[in-house]
Amino acid sequence: GAVVSQHPSRVICKSGTSVKIECRSLDFQATTMFWYRQFPKQSLMLMATSNEGSKATYEQGVEKDKFLINHASLTLSTLTVTSAHPEDSSFYICSASTSLAGGDTQYFGPGTRLTVL
Amino acid sequence: GDSVTQMEGPVTLSEEAFLTINCTYTATGYPSLFWYVQYPGEGLQLLLKATKADDKGSNKGFEATYRKETTSFHLEKGSVQVSDSAVYFCALSDSPGGTSYGKLTFGQGTILTVHP
Repeated sequence: GAVVSQHPSRVICKSGTSVKIECRSLDFQATTMFWYRQFPKQSLMLMATSNEGSKATYEQGVEKDKFLINHASLTLSTLTVTSAHPEDSSFYICSASTSLAGGDTQYFGPGTRLTVL
Repeated sequence: GDSVTQMEGPVTLSEEAFLTINCTYTATGYPSLFWYVQYPGEGLQLLLKATKADDKGSNKGFEATYRKETTSFHLEKGSVQVSDSAVYFCALSDSPGGTSYGKLTFGQGTILTVHP
């Protein structure tokens, strides 16, 4: 089946530094990737949608200059949290979808736990 | 805007017990409805879906029926197993044709623990 990986699975950083999270579709080409944020005991909140080769579309209230998304290829999207602060600590999850025949599902990565000290 | 509300967890059951996890939604138009499951240490996986009113999605013994009149999509299983222990998410999408290419709106998730 389709597999999506995320790296790293956990990251701890100091306040003010930037952190990059990678999301890869391992055995399929993803035309669209999504980035979600999940707070404890809360649902996944969509942050942005990215299509390969174009700028990401951010949800209302998500700072695009703080959460930089790059979707450089059909198998890789990155989320960079710039100048991270403790309030950015969260669980970040990506998903990938394809519009190829038979592809009608978002495949999710296992998530990345970010802790900002 | 669209929203999904799930029953509060956690839910703890004995093996072979009957399971119901309630899910209700608010949406404009005619959304497609999904249940996702997240096993420990893994990503979310699609469990089942329904694309129109009265459709029943089913998989691995789980079922859910799209009830437009009550705006609900409750998840049920007649006899749970220890291996069903996971977090279950109800979600909706307003993308056409039952695809989840587009934006998914999730409920808060329900933790299920099944004891032997």
